[in-house]
Amino acid sequence: DAMVIQNPRYQVTQFGKPVTLSCSQTLNHNVMYWYQQKSSQAPKLLFHYYDKDFNNEADTPDNFQSRRPNTSFCFLDIRSPGLGDAAMYLCATSRAILGRADTQYFGPGTRLTVL
Amino acid sequence: EDQVTQSPEALRLQEGESSSLNCSYTVSGLRGLFWYRQDPGKGPEFLFTLYSAGEEKEKERLKATLTKKESFLHITAPKPEDSATYLCAVQAADNTDKLIFGTGTRLQVFP
Repeated sequence: DAMVIQNPRYQVTQFGKPVTLSCSQTLNHNVMYWYQQKSSQAPKLLFHYYDKDFNNEADTPDNFQSRRPNTSFCFLDIRSPGLGDAAMYLCATSRAILGRADTQYFGPGTRLTVL
Repeated sequence: EDQVTQSPEALRLQEGESSSLNCSYTVSGLRGLFWYRQDPGKGPEFLFTLYSAGEEKEKERLKATLTKKESFLHITAPKPEDSATYLCAVQAADNTDKLIFGTGTRLQVFP
C-alpha cells in the first residue's frame, strides 16, 4: 500500500543534542510538509517543499532545518533541541494538481522527548 | 484573517447516540475543507474532502456536509471505536499549499 512512513516513531534526545527525524513516501507526491503538534493542539506547519522549492513559515525557529534529497525522502533537523521542542512531529504529503496542492496525507508521527 | 473554529471541544456519547460536530470557518475563498480523525499518539487519518457548498460525503457511520460558512460531521449510531479527536482544516484559494486547522473535537463513545 502507498503510504507515508516516519522513523523513528519515538525519539529521546538530550537538551542541546542535535536530532534528525526522517520521512519517506511511496505516494510519489511532489509536496511534503513538516508539522509540530503539542498535546491537545492543532498541528502547526513548520515548512514544506513544493518539489525542490523550500517554503519556511515565518514563525518557525532557526533551530529547525529541513532537507529533501529526492522526491521520496524528507528530513527534519533540530540543531539544538530545547525542552519546548518536545512534541509530536508529523510529516504529510500531497500532490499538486494544476499548481494547487490537494489532500494532505499524514504519517504516523515521531514523538520527540527532550531530557 | 483565515480561521477555523470547531465545537464542541469535547463530546461524550453513549453508544448508538447520534450527534454532530461543527466546523465554522472564515477564509478568503475556499479551495477545500478537510476532515481528519486522529487517535492518541498517531498521525491524522484522512476522512473527507469537500470542495463546494451543498456537497456531502459519507463513510460508514460518518457523513460530512458543507455550507458557505460551516461544515458538519454527523455521526450516526456511534460505536466505542469511533472515539478519537476529529480535526477540521480548510485550504484557502489563494494559498493552497497550506491547511488551516481547527483545534479539534475530542469524541468519547461509551458502551
